[in-house]
Amino acid sequence: ETGVTQTPRHLVMGMTNKKSLKCEQHLGHNAMYWYKQSAKKPLELMFVYSLEERVENNSVPSRFSPECPNSSHLFLHLHTLQPEDSALYLCASSQDLSWGQPQHFGDGTRLSIL
Amino acid sequence: GQQVMQIPQYQHVQEGEDFTTYCNSSTTLSNIQWYKQRPGGHPVFLIQLVKSGEVKKQKRLTFQFGEAKKNSSLHITATQTTDVGTYFCAGRVDYKLSFGAGTTVTVRA
Repeated sequence: ETGVTQTPRHLVMGMTNKKSLKCEQHLGHNAMYWYKQSAKKPLELMFVYSLEERVENNSVPSRFSPECPNSSHLFLHLHTLQPEDSALYLCASSQDLSWGQPQHFGDGTRLSIL
Repeated sequence: GQQVMQIPQYQHVQEGEDFTTYCNSSTTLSNIQWYKQRPGGHPVFLIQLVKSGEVKKQKRLTFQFGEAKKNSSLHITATQTTDVGTYFCAGRVDYKLSFGAGTTVTVRA
């Protein structure tokens, strides 16, 4: 399934680096999401965008900064991360925010903080 | 806030056997969705339940939504090696999905 594409697939960075994760969806969806997936923990919703407007910021530290330039693209800008931020970061999209819509996930970016 | 709990966390199944994974919410849900994540993969949508007491089947998978819309179950019959992976339930309140921690299934051939 190539509906939601994430790059890079793997990222290793130091705590003082600045990097960005990219997500692109080819499904014509209007809503996009960032999730954090850590071992043995539930998927944590980080940010929600609908029609390029942020509708949810789930108490995420400011070292994570999302950007949604259009309905097909979503970025997650990273700076001065901590070791506990190492995780799989998943992007997802859905047709819209209405309750009946399933979410389509990308393959994720495996992030390791040194 | 809303919490969705899943049990068991791990399920080791002999090929050919049946098993059930359970999902419980602290609040009433608008609907519940189930996803499957294969090892090294991403969550893939399986099904959505909306109505109180609803039961849906997909081949060997049977999904059920509780009468109070606070719990759900996934029952797999005659487990196969292709069933390996982590099964997540996700409960929806408003536009937000809250995911359970998942049940990770391994299969002994």
